[in-house]
Amino acid sequence: NAGVTQTPKFQVLKTGQSMTLQCAQDMNHEYMSWYRQDPGMGLRLIHYSVGAGITDQGEVPNGYNVSRSTTEDFPLRLLSAAPSQTSVYFCASSPTGMNTEAFFGQGTRLTVV
Amino acid sequence: TQLLEQSPQFLSIQEGENLTVYCNSSSVFSSLQWYRQEPGEGPVLLVTVVTGGEVKKLKRLTFQFGDARKDSSLHITAAQTGDTGLYLCAGEGETSGSRLTFGEGTQLTVNP
Repeated sequence: NAGVTQTPKFQVLKTGQSMTLQCAQDMNHEYMSWYRQDPGMGLRLIHYSVGAGITDQGEVPNGYNVSRSTTEDFPLRLLSAAPSQTSVYFCASSPTGMNTEAFFGQGTRLTVV
Repeated sequence: TQLLEQSPQFLSIQEGENLTVYCNSSSVFSSLQWYRQEPGEGPVLLVTVVTGGEVKKLKRLTFQFGDARKDSSLHITAAQTGDTGLYLCAGEGETSGSRLTFGEGTQLTVNP
């Protein structure tokens, strides 16, 4: 089973460039989310979605946009990359409801120079 | 905003030793999850504790949820080099649905 697939795995951007991080899941999960992971700060929620057509902001949404046109896909867009967005990004999905397991992709390591 | 504080942030021990990692908050959570993450990979769920005072065992790992559902601990008995990794606690708020709040993580290194 593929689970949660993130692409690309590595990316280097110049300041001001835009790009989209892709995330796809094949488990028919309604809930999907994007996190960034920085040293000593755990995982911080950027945006999340409870189903197709519905998105909401997390803890650190500034500089990022998301959309959810299908249940399977949840892309994360950086409109104008900044060095502060250098991080490792994780996409996760889970079934709706309480106490459910979050399934994570392998992550995208992004460097903004 | 609900916060989870993990301690210690770093832990380096010898194989065979025991250790405990703590996850504390001033907020009440409906459940606490523990994840383990290896380099270059995403976190993987180890356990979910739901009831205050609950204790769950997974081989040499023992997880406890505080009576007030504000804190949790992970105890590893006779650590092995294969236990090396980043351990993350994550809390689900009483009204946040599937939204998780993560602690800062504990980087565990078990030396041979």
